[in-house]
Amino acid sequence: AQSVTQLGSHVSVSEGALVLLRCNYSSSVPPYLFWYVQYPNQGLQLLLKYTTGATLVKGINGFEAEFKKSETSFHLTKPSAHMSDAAEYFCAVKGGGSYIPTFGRGTSLIVHP
Amino acid sequence: DTAVSQTPKYLVTQMGNDKSIKCEQNLGHDTMYWYKQDSKKFLKIMFSYNNKELIINETVPNRFSPKSPDKAHLNLHINSLELGDSAVYFCASSQGQGRDEQYFGPGTRLTVT
Repeated sequence: AQSVTQLGSHVSVSEGALVLLRCNYSSSVPPYLFWYVQYPNQGLQLLLKYTTGATLVKGINGFEAEFKKSETSFHLTKPSAHMSDAAEYFCAVKGGGSYIPTFGRGTSLIVHP
Repeated sequence: DTAVSQTPKYLVTQMGNDKSIKCEQNLGHDTMYWYKQDSKKFLKIMFSYNNKELIINETVPNRFSPKSPDKAHLNLHINSLELGDSAVYFCASSQGQGRDEQYFGPGTRLTVT
């Protein structure tokens, strides 16, 4: 069984400020972890993923995430928010042999000028 | 070239009607999915096909029927539409299981009046 918790349905930051979106997971097998972004009226697209190896993963648009097994977390960060980062962000987890990811409920990132 | 495409983009129809949504992927992936996204952005898996075979069929009313004529296509037919069917429906594909991410289509916004 697997589950994902995204803390905060909405996160609001000023342009240029640090972005931190939280994701905690549970999985009975070593997980594969994903962050997706959904811009208004579009489908989801992959930001980054962790499978094995280096626990700090870099993605597109300056985002990165760190897999912390001891904390069962995979938080998403970006040093400096841009207006174009305003979107819905989803964390997802898959067990090793699974076809189907479990998605979190999403966090809406709001960026103020 | 669009990797995962869906038609139509918008669908407005009356209760009781039957409608179909088409999905095609040109990525050569083995696995395709249908998701429903509600007004709160929650993503719910509905179906998954691997090499034209149904592998996941979540608790979905039997008014919903997927059809996979070949590996590149997964269509969704909905009978006797109800108000609660109003949502955005996403098609997605992935190479397989485990570490592979999903590629999402642009979505079909279904409105039942």
